[in-house]
Amino acid sequence: DGGITQSPKYLFRKEGQNVTLSCEQNLNHDAMYWYRQDPGQGLRLIYYSQIVNDFQKGDIAEGYSVSREKKESFPLTVTSAQKNPTAFYLCASSVETAKTQYFGPGTRLLVL
Amino acid sequence: AQSVTQLDSHVSVSEGTPVLLRCNYSSSYSPSLFWYVQHPNKGLQLLLKYTSAATLVKGINGFEAEFKKSETSFHLTKPSAHMSDAAEYFCVVSLYNQGGKLIFGQGTELSVKP
Repeated sequence: DGGITQSPKYLFRKEGQNVTLSCEQNLNHDAMYWYRQDPGQGLRLIYYSQIVNDFQKGDIAEGYSVSREKKESFPLTVTSAQKNPTAFYLCASSVETAKTQYFGPGTRLLVL
Repeated sequence: AQSVTQLDSHVSVSEGTPVLLRCNYSSSYSPSLFWYVQHPNKGLQLLLKYTSAATLVKGINGFEAEFKKSETSFHLTKPSAHMSDAAEYFCVVSLYNQGGKLIFGQGTELSVKP
């Protein structure tokens, strides 16, 4: 069954804690993306990766970090520097950049 | 600057009546345009895409959209609404000159009354 999986579905973060959101795809896509969605708003790009071992900042990268050690995986870490982390986080992938993006089911991050 | 404007934040229709969700775009280049749908607490699902082929694009679940360059519009339509169409809809432009970066509209929430 091909697609994009994100885990966990819900994640709780304590003050000063780093948390990592998982994104895995078995579509053999080169490009992967992380977006943040706030209530009543469209998506904003956090980071993207065009190929393994390479990634670039998006529009709102401050307080986040990523890695791309494997083609199928693109984890996002929300660091303690991100002061307003509560949001819905969506991962996407495409065959290559500038091609149609397909989205995972999302992770909702809440702050305790 | 490239941008996308969804003209209605909320649209309400009765089941069985037509749906029209409006989208205008601004782009210096010939754009790629998309409509995505999002059900509550779910990811985004691609409805349809325009990539400079036919101006009338047919998508899934009976939706279609027409690219009108003269009006810089890409409105989404469906002849007959179904209860399952109730969701948030996003009009999106892809910036080819910026590595395919997506610019999202603010979204239109579609309600369908029985």
